[in-house]
Amino acid sequence: KQEVTQIPAALSVPEGENLVLNCSFTDSAIYNLQWFRQDPGKGLTSLLLIQSSQREQTSGRLNASLDKSSGRSTLYIAASQPGDSATYLCAVSRSGGSNYKLTFGKGTLLTVNP
Amino acid sequence: DTEVTQTPKHLVMGMTNKKSLKCEQHMGHRAMYWYKQKAKKPPELMFVYSYEKLSINESVPSRFSPECPNSSLLNLHLHALQPEDSALYLCASSLQPGAAEAFFGQGTRLTVV
Repeated sequence: KQEVTQIPAALSVPEGENLVLNCSFTDSAIYNLQWFRQDPGKGLTSLLLIQSSQREQTSGRLNASLDKSSGRSTLYIAASQPGDSATYLCAVSRSGGSNYKLTFGKGTLLTVNP
Repeated sequence: DTEVTQTPKHLVMGMTNKKSLKCEQHMGHRAMYWYKQKAKKPPELMFVYSYEKLSINESVPSRFSPECPNSSLLNLHLHALQPEDSALYLCASSLQPGAAEAFFGQGTRLTVV
C-alpha cells in the first residue's frame, strides 16, 4: 500500500526566505506526482505535475524535483511571500491499472510572516 | 479554462434530508472524481467516473449516490447522512482516468445536523 509522508508538518518563515518542502513515498511504481496548494476551507490548486520519467518541473518561483528511485520529491519556493501561506499537499498516482487514484500526504502548513 | 465549479459552496442538512452536490467542468475531461476531506486530513477518493460510467466505488456507503448525466456534469446525491459525514467534498477531473494532471474544484462544505 502506498504511503506518502510530508515533512515538516508545519513551517513558519519570514518573508523573502527560500524554502524546501519534502515529500516521500514508499512505492516507487508511480505514474506521476502532483503538488497542490490548499487555502483554509478551500479546494486544491494544482501547482506542478511531474511525470514519472521527469526529474523536475518549474513554474515561476516554484521548482519541484522527483527522485523516483529513492521515493522522494521536493518543492522549492523561492523568495517566499505572505500570499504563499497555505497547506501544500503532494500526491502520487500509481502506475498500472489503478493509476486513477491519487494518494495524498498529510500536507505541510506554511506560514510566511511579513 | 481550467476550472471545476462546485455548487453549493456550503450546505447544512438534517439527517432525514435529501440533497445534491453539483460539479461542472468544460475542459473536455472524460474522468471525474469525488473526494471527501475531513478537517486536517488529506482528501480521500470516493468515486471515479470514466466516460460517464462509474468505474470505481471506494466502498462508499449507499447513502452517497453519484450520478454523471453527461460528460460535463457530476452529481452526488445525499440521503440519510450522519453527523460524521460532515466534511469538505471535492470534485476533480482529468483528461482521462489516471492521465496527467487532476484539477479540483473549490469544494462544498457539508454540515450534517
